[in-house]
Amino acid sequence: AQTVTQSQPEMSVQEAETVTLSCTYDTSENNYYLFWYKQPPSRQMILVIRQEAYKQQNATENRFSVNFQKAAKSFSLKISDSQLGDTAMYFCAFMKVLRGNAGNMLTFGGGTRLMVKP
Amino acid sequence: AAGVIQSPRHLIKEKRETATLKCYPIPRHDTVYWYQQGPGQDPQFLISFYEKMQSDKGSIPDRFSAQQFSDYHSELNMSSLELGDSALYFCASSQGQSAQRIPYEQYFGPGTRLTVT
Repeated sequence: AQTVTQSQPEMSVQEAETVTLSCTYDTSENNYYLFWYKQPPSRQMILVIRQEAYKQQNATENRFSVNFQKAAKSFSLKISDSQLGDTAMYFCAFMKVLRGNAGNMLTFGGGTRLMVKP
Repeated sequence: AAGVIQSPRHLIKEKRETATLKCYPIPRHDTVYWYQQGPGQDPQFLISFYEKMQSDKGSIPDRFSAQQFSDYHSELNMSSLELGDSALYFCASSQGQSAQRIPYEQYFGPGTRLTVT
């Protein structure tokens, strides 16, 4: 079974600054995907960024980027130029890839509550 | 763009009653997932369906059952409700897999908030 750990229950950052959220995972799988989801106060789950384990290049989506260290099983999210709208709960998630199968489950970490302060 | 639709958005039931939650995936999505998020918890995977067949199963209680219909919508049936079933229930949808066997990302609906009293 896979486990995902987010060691920072809460974080805060000043508007326009940069913040990094940590995530580690444990798995014996070699083929998997990692995701960061954002859950604002509306409780909607919004995909922020995804990373394929077989790709060494770190994924980037505008102000969001990841630092993927496969050997260390670490997958941190960096938010640059933080905005008030980034205030939300952030979940790290793991999905193993079962070839020939769809409907693969996401395993989530416990979440990090991020507050962006004006 | 069309999103995942869940109904009802809010539901209040008493202990030992039954509840049915519905999920309508994004058009052309053939895979549906159900997650349960308790208060202050991370989402927990319950079950998924691909092309109307059960695909993956998580920590779904025996009191719960689900299915996917020919139009790809899905229903989660919950019986003998307990106080601990109070949670936000998410449905997500995706396309199955690409030709390269790469799983597509899951798009979440707004959730159904179930309160059991």
